[in-house]
Amino acid sequence: DTEVTQTPKHLVMGMTNKKSLKCEQHMGHRAMYWYKQKAKKPPELMFVYSYEKLSINESVPSRFSPECPNSSLLNLHLHALQPEDSALYLCASSQVLGLEDEQYFGPGTRLTVT
Amino acid sequence: DAKTTQPTSMDCAEGRAANLPCNHSTISGNEYVYWYRQIHSQGPQYIIHGLKNNETNEMASLIITEDRKSSTLILPHATLRDTAVYYCIVRAQTGANNLFFGTGTRLTVIP
Repeated sequence: DTEVTQTPKHLVMGMTNKKSLKCEQHMGHRAMYWYKQKAKKPPELMFVYSYEKLSINESVPSRFSPECPNSSLLNLHLHALQPEDSALYLCASSQVLGLEDEQYFGPGTRLTVT
Repeated sequence: DAKTTQPTSMDCAEGRAANLPCNHSTISGNEYVYWYRQIHSQGPQYIIHGLKNNETNEMASLIITEDRKSSTLILPHATLRDTAVYYCIVRAQTGANNLFFGTGTRLTVIP
């Protein structure tokens, strides 16, 4: 199974809402990533987890709060977002950090903030 | 920051080879060249990577020049399903695995 799943596929939320994005993989990977992709732009890294610990935070605003409850799951908690946060949020995983292995990406969650 | 330069867009006739160039003139000795593609409304998909030697897998071939300052991704027999944005990425061998995507090349395969 080389699949990374993300739920929900689409999410519309108001600026005062709290919501969460979920990502799951069962490949035994110990590195997981969140990327943000605006329309017609390349993906941009947000967070990296290694062995369930936050390894990299690319200066992401605190209204985005990642969580890695176990080695298969990665969440992104959203609170008080702005309309400019509307984007495709991509999750990825790889075996471990520091090797030349590839990242496997999920299909993404398309988020619209109203 | 992206360390690669790619043409913005290219067309290729169905059934012909698609040759996608990438310039990475500032590449370091320990940096690999990776290629990913992103089909519309999907997550990026790994294609191939290499360090010095040319590489081939079931999807594509990667030709890296001897000075490593540029490379070419070759899709030998392009199909309509190969229409996508192709990203060439330079990444260090050690350290974080984070990928810094450049703007990529939008390849359109024409029937």
